[in-house]
Amino acid sequence: ETGVTQTPRHLVMGMTNKKSLKCEQHLGHNAMYWYKQSAKKPLELMFVYNFKEQTENNSVPSRFSPECPNSSHLFLHLHTLQPEDSALYLCASSQDGQGPEAFFGQGTRLTVV
Amino acid sequence: QKEVEQDPGPLSVPEGAIVSLNCTYSNSAFQYFMWYRQYSRKGPELLMYTYSSGNKEDGRFTAQVDKSSKYISLFIRDSQPSDSATYLCAMSGEGTYKYIFGTGTRLKVLA
Repeated sequence: ETGVTQTPRHLVMGMTNKKSLKCEQHLGHNAMYWYKQSAKKPLELMFVYNFKEQTENNSVPSRFSPECPNSSHLFLHLHTLQPEDSALYLCASSQDGQGPEAFFGQGTRLTVV
Repeated sequence: QKEVEQDPGPLSVPEGAIVSLNCTYSNSAFQYFMWYRQYSRKGPELLMYTYSSGNKEDGRFTAQVDKSSKYISLFIRDSQPSDSATYLCAMSGEGTYKYIFGTGTRLKVLA
């Protein structure tokens, strides 16, 4: 285990559903991230929280809504998704959002039907 | 032009071979250069990182950065079947969390 835990590991949802992805880190880090990983594409940074404040929203559609209640937990709320949103969603954390060492969770494999 | 270019492979080598994985980049502001390993159905795992130019060695792995050529490499000595994975390079500038990733190179080490 990397110290970053994501649930669920797999999720199938319809386009009208609402669901949430959860991430928890046990590393004492202050920065947390959401990435999207699609086949044959580089990891895409979606959101960054540093000391619970959102510091980055990388032009992500509003059907993705992040929430960071504290430095250890990060959520990604999903609603009215499209089939092209199917991907592996990865959570990561780092000490302070400036160094090179980001630790990733196992990811949630999302399928939108 | 993409900021980071990485050959997707797959790269197949026999067990015991020396593997060379590479990335090129275009942004001269990059200062941190990372290599991640990602097994199937797992998240990326940080292998090592270097700051600015030079080499860094950790066991069977050696990372090299040539900033003049905007070219980075990861060498794996005495490759093992357990090294079979996708290797991702990533880069960032000084004092920033914005890692730019390559697409990853899929490596297969054949027993």
